[in-house]
Amino acid sequence: EMVMTQTPATLSVSPGERATLSCRASQTISNNLAWYQHKPGQAPRLLIYGASARAYDTPARFSGSGSGTEFTLTISSLQSEDFAVYYCQQYDHWPQTFGQGTSVQIK
Amino acid sequence: EVHLLESGGGLVQPGGSLRLSCATSGFTFNLHALSWVRQGPGKGLECIASISGSGGSTAYADSVKGRFIISRDSSKNTLFLEMNRLTAEDTAIYFCARTDGYNSGWTDYWGQGTLVTVSS
Repeated sequence: EMVMTQTPATLSVSPGERATLSCRASQTISNNLAWYQHKPGQAPRLLIYGASARAYDTPARFSGSGSGTEFTLTISSLQSEDFAVYYCQQYDHWPQTFGQGTSVQIK
Repeated sequence: EVHLLESGGGLVQPGGSLRLSCATSGFTFNLHALSWVRQGPGKGLECIASISGSGGSTAYADSVKGRFIISRDSSKNTLFLEMNRLTAEDTAIYFCARTDGYNSGWTDYWGQGTLVTVSS
């Protein structure tokens, strides 16, 4: 199975600051990577697909970059509603696999 | 509007079996792959099984291979997960998830999940 590794596991950020989350694939996956936001008691929400394309309802403060094995999700200015767990997912190989998540917490 | 609604979760004893269902609506069923994704207590998301739009291709995570079977019924627009030889490690919320594409792609819609608890 493809292994996805996310760093850091926890990120403490003040509202208004920038957050940078990383995701590494164990094999090259081109740009077949998505990012999701997950809050307790809710279904995950698609933010980014194709490594850098925003979903239709994703705010512009979220941006994705990378290709091959190294990927980044950047939140330019954290809002209160952005504190959640973020997962990367590769869909280049079946079954799709997720990273273990990065918890973005209020500093 | 796309809807995915899981059912069939509950309490089951170790070694037992359970069948989950996911009723779908709002899209052309045969044009999208579907998956089951679970989240154990205190754990992250794990995609455990996927099936292509036609149902002809399936894939499983190593953690469930040989114990779980994913299937779909196009006459009912419903996805299924047959779970056998359950252990405490299978305790989780199970989400039904739609893939953007026919075979592979990102997950664009999710159900709200159904809880499976494996305990004696």
